Amino acid sequence: GIQVEQSPPDLILQEGANSTLRCNFSDSVNNLQWFHQNPWGQLINLFYIPSGTKQNGRLSATTVATERYSLLYISSSQTTDSGVYFCAVERNYGGSQGNLIFGKGTKLSVKP
Amino acid sequence: ETGVTQTPRHLVMGMTNKKSLKCEQHLGHNAMYWYKQSAKKPLELMFVYSLEERVENNSVPSRFSPECPNSSHLFLHLHTLQPEDSALYLCASSQGTDGYGYTFGSGTRLTVV
Repeated sequence: GIQVEQSPPDLILQEGANSTLRCNFSDSVNNLQWFHQNPWGQLINLFYIPSGTKQNGRLSATTVATERYSLLYISSSQTTDSGVYFCAVERNYGGSQGNLIFGKGTKLSVKP
Repeated sequence: ETGVTQTPRHLVMGMTNKKSLKCEQHLGHNAMYWYKQSAKKPLELMFVYSLEERVENNSVPSRFSPECPNSSHLFLHLHTLQPEDSALYLCASSQGTDGYGYTFGSGTRLTVV
């Protein structure tokens, strides 16, 4: 099956710093999403980005599907950005519904 | 709220109990999923329902029994669980593979004692 590797596994930032999270995947995918899991377990969909670049406020993401990687950029980090960031990819399954394969996540801690 | 609601938020149950987790989505999606998140493990897909029919069961033990009575509701029935089944159980929904992505609920934190 598809392998999803995220780096770094842990990241500590000072408030206001910028960071880049990386997601490598081992095969072609139909879908790639970035999620933020807050300390209460809620998974928030940040980007649906199978290819190209998108921006939402201080966050942006780029996926280079031909090279099988995606990057999540966080600028001017805030303490509320703390949590675990997951990359997830979707594979076709029998031509019907796919399903998401998750990486192990990057745990981000932003210090005041 | 994401549009996917899970109840209860927390559940403590004994190994001989029977309980059910509930998930409801108001997004008009046609597929629903159960995921399990254990400590220090990636999220694991348990069940997929598309148009109310189960399309994938990732070799989940029979002590977990899903039910999808309609496209808006999904249940996970639990019986004779083991302590290692303690985890965060997350429900998600999606609108096929049309490119709208997946939306997750807040999860049920399950502890088996």
